[in-house]
Amino acid sequence: GESVGLHLPTLSVQEGDNSIINCAYSNSASDYFIWYKQESGKGPQFIIDIRSNMDKRQGQRVTVLLNKTVKHLSLQIAATQPGDSAVYFCAENSGGYNKLIFGAGTRLAVHP
Amino acid sequence: DVKVTQSSRYLVKRTGEKVFLECVQDMDHENMFWYRQDPGLGLRLIYFSYDVKMKEKGDIPEGYSVSREKKERFSLILESASTNQTSMYLCASSRYRGPQETQYFGPGTRLLVL
Repeated sequence: GESVGLHLPTLSVQEGDNSIINCAYSNSASDYFIWYKQESGKGPQFIIDIRSNMDKRQGQRVTVLLNKTVKHLSLQIAATQPGDSAVYFCAENSGGYNKLIFGAGTRLAVHP
Repeated sequence: DVKVTQSSRYLVKRTGEKVFLECVQDMDHENMFWYRQDPGLGLRLIYFSYDVKMKEKGDIPEGYSVSREKKERFSLILESASTNQTSMYLCASSRYRGPQETQYFGPGTRLLVL
């Protein structure tokens, strides 16, 4: 079936380093992708999105890259900070009515 | 800012009880969603609604029902709670029905069924 997955369940980085969180998706018809951040005890928070007609989008300290050829999505966080420690989810929209499919999540641990 | 609120952060219920989880959004969004989140799994869609009094089944609707009597409010109902419904429940909303709309989440309700 269609799925959104993540390569690494846990990523540990040093404070100040750049982080890269990866995601594979299986539905080539998906046209919209979102990254969410979920801190402990909170609901997912929107970080950044990208549409399938783009291959890169930048926000504040974050960049999302989309490679449709290999169906791969990545989230890059520059100068990672302790406040970035959280679980990060990618999600894809592959149908109508705004129905999203979520990956299992990657935990980002930032060490001083 | 979009605000999605959920009536309870934590709930403890007994097997067989009827449970109501309430969600309210203040941005006049058309779509509302209920998910459950379990360790090691992604978010799984239970039900969603794209209009008042309208509802659609998600991927795991069994054991749940929903109600949307007003645009801003979407309720999830566990008719007879069971221990396998112990989970984190997340409500979300999005502005329009189209496919490229961001979903905004509430803080979640952590439900424990004993």
